Amino acid sequence: GQNIDQPTEMTATEGAIVQINCTYQTSGFNGLFWYQQHAGEAPTFLSYNVLDGLEEKGRFSSFLSRSKGYSYLLLKELQMKDSASYLCAVMDSNYQLIWGAGTKLIIKP
Amino acid sequence: GAVVSQHPSWVICKSGTSVKIECRSLDFQATTMFWYRQFPKQSLMLMATSNEGSKATYEQGVEKDKFLINHASLTLSTLTVTSAHPEDSSFYICSARGGREGETQYFGPGTRLLVL
Repeated sequence: GQNIDQPTEMTATEGAIVQINCTYQTSGFNGLFWYQQHAGEAPTFLSYNVLDGLEEKGRFSSFLSRSKGYSYLLLKELQMKDSASYLCAVMDSNYQLIWGAGTKLIIKP
Repeated sequence: GAVVSQHPSWVICKSGTSVKIECRSLDFQATTMFWYRQFPKQSLMLMATSNEGSKATYEQGVEKDKFLINHASLTLSTLTVTSAHPEDSSFYICSARGGREGETQYFGPGTRLLVL
């Protein structure tokens, strides 16, 4: 079957760095997406990786290793507004998005 | 760019009534639109995928006669919850994707449905 694993919840301190991991097993691979979802709101797109390596976008970076079926989202200089759920999703061979359950990130002052 | 709107943002209705939710891509042509449902503190659940001009493809366990989807144009898809019941109360979110299959999905702001 298809499976996306990410931690259920993480806690970090304002100003620090946090890494949210995602491992996947899917039938085919056409890219991995990270979305941010604040409580009560719809997800917003953060990043897309289809080749191995690190993609940096401001305070957020996303890394992919296709051979290991692994990705992480790195958040630097954490701000209170970064408190949200972070969803990892993989596009399979049928171009269907397979969603992880999300990681709830709690930022403490 | 890549803005998706949904209307209404909130709906409260009586049990047995039908509710229509609109999803529009404002600045791009959405060949494919997706409808999701999310219950509190749970992950997104894909309900159906619709391509412009063709019938929607429903996920297993989703009743197509209860959740009617119409994707009549490249910028508009509608979801109608027919004969809504309290258990249909949820957060309904649409997303839209452009012409290429590998493109990013952009989400609308969601519609909260409360059935009394």
